[in-house]
Amino acid sequence: GQQVMQIPQYQHVQEGEDFTTYCNSSTTLSNIQWYKQRPGGHPVFLIQLVKSGEVKKQKRLTFQFGEAKKNSSLHITATQTTDVGTYFCAGYDRGSTLGRLYFGRGTQLTVWP
Amino acid sequence: KAGVTQTPRYLIKTRGQQVTLSCSPISGHRSVSWYQQTPGQGLQFLFEYFSETQRNKGNFPGRFSGRQFSNSRSEMNVSTLELGDSALYLCASSRTPLGEGGTDTQYFGPGTRLTVL
Repeated sequence: GQQVMQIPQYQHVQEGEDFTTYCNSSTTLSNIQWYKQRPGGHPVFLIQLVKSGEVKKQKRLTFQFGEAKKNSSLHITATQTTDVGTYFCAGYDRGSTLGRLYFGRGTQLTVWP
Repeated sequence: KAGVTQTPRYLIKTRGQQVTLSCSPISGHRSVSWYQQTPGQGLQFLFEYFSETQRNKGNFPGRFSGRQFSNSRSEMNVSTLELGDSALYLCASSRTPLGEGGTDTQYFGPGTRLTVL
């Protein structure tokens, strides 16, 4: 069945280094969303990508949606300690009757000062 | 404006019981989605309601059900609780339904921590 795979599961970086997390879907998605969850907190919506090949930027964060709408990535430039948390992607499949949101398992980012 | 609120925040039940969780969306938001989060399975989508109609549904058994009222408040019910239902249940609200193609933000509530003994 449909699933969204996300890698890596964990990433430890030195402050100032870059970070990238990748999501891959077994089927074509209608759109993909990205969330950040801090330890002990709830997910916070970051962005939604809809168009094939779409690229969006939020300050140091760059989000991409693949041409085939089956993969996506989140890249953080020059990480800071405030970037610590788990980053989730969620792909939306419109389905034949009811749609469904498929979450990746998340990438837990640790940033060493 | 006030954020998404969920009640209760913590709940302890025993196997076989049923439970009802409540979610009040941000004022003006008509879409409410429910999620289950566990260390083993991660974040999983349960269902979404928009204008009192279920529009999207995850892969959960029929023991998990929901509804939405005319004021957009939503409830989730789990019947015949199992140990594996222990989880953080999150709801999120947005102005437009999931998958509409817009860039509408989903706002999550703090969650209800359910423990099944």
